[in-house]
Amino acid sequence: QVQLVQSGAEVKTPGASVKVSCKASGYTFKDYYIHWIRQAPGEGLEWMGWINPDIGGTNYAQKFQGRVIMTRDTSISTVYMELSRLRSDDTAMYYCARLRIFDVWGQGTMVTVSS
Amino acid sequence: DIVMTQTPLSSPVTLGQPASISCTSSQSLVHSDGNTYLSWLQQRPGQPPRPLIYKISNRFSGVPDRFSGSGAGTDFTLKISRVEAEDVGVYYCSQGTQFPSTFGQGTKLEIK
Repeated sequence: QVQLVQSGAEVKTPGASVKVSCKASGYTFKDYYIHWIRQAPGEGLEWMGWINPDIGGTNYAQKFQGRVIMTRDTSISTVYMELSRLRSDDTAMYYCARLRIFDVWGQGTMVTVSS
Repeated sequence: DIVMTQTPLSSPVTLGQPASISCTSSQSLVHSDGNTYLSWLQQRPGQPPRPLIYKISNRFSGVPDRFSGSGAGTDFTLKISRVEAEDVGVYYCSQGTQFPSTFGQGTKLEIK
């Protein structure tokens, strides 16, 4: 079945970077854009950007420009989201989701930023 | 950025009764390709969002037919014909017509 499986929870100190992975299975990896969305504790959903797994092209929300990099490894059907210069307000659940209609979601990766 | 506004933000409903959530966008969500990328998501406590509806009114596989979506342009509605206990959670509308994609604030559906 179509699935997105994310890497495990992370704890980081302020100023560090985090790299979250999202492994796709059950469909042709290159055919579907992957989006990243985050949700701070008790808050709503915030779109971060997308990556085209075929050519690696990206589109980031302006808020994250300069701090986020999305990449992919087609050999293992995996996309990555790296967020740098972490702050305490980056503490959130990070999700990958497929397509602009978000038809398939990963299970989420909790990133905690704390000194 | 397109602002998505949901009403109400909280909706206490009696089991078996209908529920309705409205979502208004600050700009038309009609894409240049003719599609309107308005989706509805359900999030149960401690779970990732679950996609319910895409392109205004299309249910995803496995979504009960008591869920329906309607609307056009800037005004959209999610309706639950008869609320069941498992429908408790937060409902979000989202738009994928123009990037950045944006979401409504969420509507908390609870049982009276």
